[in-house]
Amino acid sequence: GAGVSQTPSNKVTEKGKYVELRCDPISGHTALYWYRQSLGQGPEFLIYFQGTGAADDSGLPNDRFFAVRPEGSVSTLKIQRTERGDSAVYLCASSLRQGAFGGYNEQFFGPGTRLTVL
Amino acid sequence: GQQVMQIPQYQHVQEGEDFTTYCNSSTTLSNIQWYKQRPGGHPVFLIQLVKSGEVKKQKRLTFQFGEAKKNSSLHITATQTTDVGTYFCAGQVQGAQKLVFGQGTRLTINP
Repeated sequence: GAGVSQTPSNKVTEKGKYVELRCDPISGHTALYWYRQSLGQGPEFLIYFQGTGAADDSGLPNDRFFAVRPEGSVSTLKIQRTERGDSAVYLCASSLRQGAFGGYNEQFFGPGTRLTVL
Repeated sequence: GQQVMQIPQYQHVQEGEDFTTYCNSSTTLSNIQWYKQRPGGHPVFLIQLVKSGEVKKQKRLTFQFGEAKKNSSLHITATQTTDVGTYFCAGQVQGAQKLVFGQGTRLTINP
C-alpha cells in the first residue's frame, strides 16, 4: 500500500516568506509526527498529533512554527517569516496508534521536504 | 532536557568486519527504537526494545537494551555493502510522547 507522502519534495523560498509543508500519512494511522533534520544530525522532534489534536508541541522552536491536522489525516506544517536557519529536511512520520503503557509502535517516515531559505 | 548520545559518529570498515554503535540516554527510557537511513533516504524502522536487558536479533544484527534502560547497542556481524547507511537510536521516556533521536552513526564499507 501507499506509504507516507510529503509535498513538495523541495521548497526554495526567500527569507521572510511563509511556507506550508504537507504530509499525507498512511491511511488509518492515528498518530502523526513532524521532525526536522539538519545535515549530519538525527531527526529533531517538532510536534505530535493523536487524531486531530496536537498532543505534544514541545519541539516547535518558536511561534513562527505551527501545524494543523483538521480532519485527523493530512497535516500541514506552517512556517511564518522564514529564516535561513529554518533550512533543513522536514520529515513527517505516522504510526498506527500509541502502544500500551505509552510505548510507540514503529513510525513510518515520509521522504521529507527539503526546505531552503535564501 | 532529555538527551540521547550516540558513538561513534562515523565508522568505516572493510566488508566482512563487524560493526557496533552505542547509544546512551541522560534519562531512563521506557523503550528504545533503532532506525536506518540510507544516503539520500529517510529513516526506516528496524526494531523496538522495551524490557530491561532485552536482546533481539535480526539475522546479522543484534540489538541490546541495558539493564538500567539508559543505554543500547546495535552490533552487525560480518558487514555487507547493503549495510551502508546511518543508524539512529531513538528513545522515549515514560509519560512523554516524543521520540528523541541520537545523532546517528554513519557506516561506510570498503568492498
